Amino acid sequence: ILNVEQSPQSLHVQEGDSTNFTCSFPSSNFYALHWYRWETAKSPEALFVMTLNGDEKKKGRISATLNTKEGYSYLYIKGSQPEDSATYLCAFPFGNAGGTSYGKLTFGQGTILTVHP
Amino acid sequence: KAGVTQTPRYLIKTRGQQVTLSCSPISGHRSVSWYQQTPGQGLQFLFEYFSETQRNKGNFPGRFSGRQFSNSRSEMNVSTLELGDSALYLCASSLASGRGGYTFGSGTRLTVV
Repeated sequence: ILNVEQSPQSLHVQEGDSTNFTCSFPSSNFYALHWYRWETAKSPEALFVMTLNGDEKKKGRISATLNTKEGYSYLYIKGSQPEDSATYLCAFPFGNAGGTSYGKLTFGQGTILTVHP
Repeated sequence: KAGVTQTPRYLIKTRGQQVTLSCSPISGHRSVSWYQQTPGQGLQFLFEYFSETQRNKGNFPGRFSGRQFSNSRSEMNVSTLELGDSALYLCASSLASGRGGYTFGSGTRLTVV
């Protein structure tokens, strides 16, 4: 069974704090690693798709790093705001038997972030 | 551009019935995937379609089926509904699977009573 693990399960921070969470995934046969943000009553929103070892991506106050050799990715939020409150999901696309399609995303359980004003 | 559209948004069905959910992807997107979200299991992959062909399938019983039409719209069907099928069903579309991010719809909330 190929697992995608996220930690911590939940996080409560104060407005202005910086925070980070972890996604662990199988390091063999790496293809890509996705990060999504899922706010209550909305659709999951793609944040980053990371494909290269050592990759670092940034979107406003949110950034992510990738280590494919050891199988982990970190998501950082600088100066958290109440609107950052959401569930942050990472997902690992697994291929089919022929390796020509990677449309099967396996999601971690997510990190629920609550930012208190 | 229009996002991923799922219909209906909410559905209540009786155990033993069947249900069909619809997903219209973003124009030009040919890959459509379906996911089930339950509180205990998180987001679980159901299946993925590309150009009317099922390319990937998750570990769900045969009661769960799907199809994709030539215009890339997709439907999923659940026959002989069970109480445990109550969940949020999400579909997601992309230009090509894997490398690019997926755009999700708002989901269909199915309640089986």
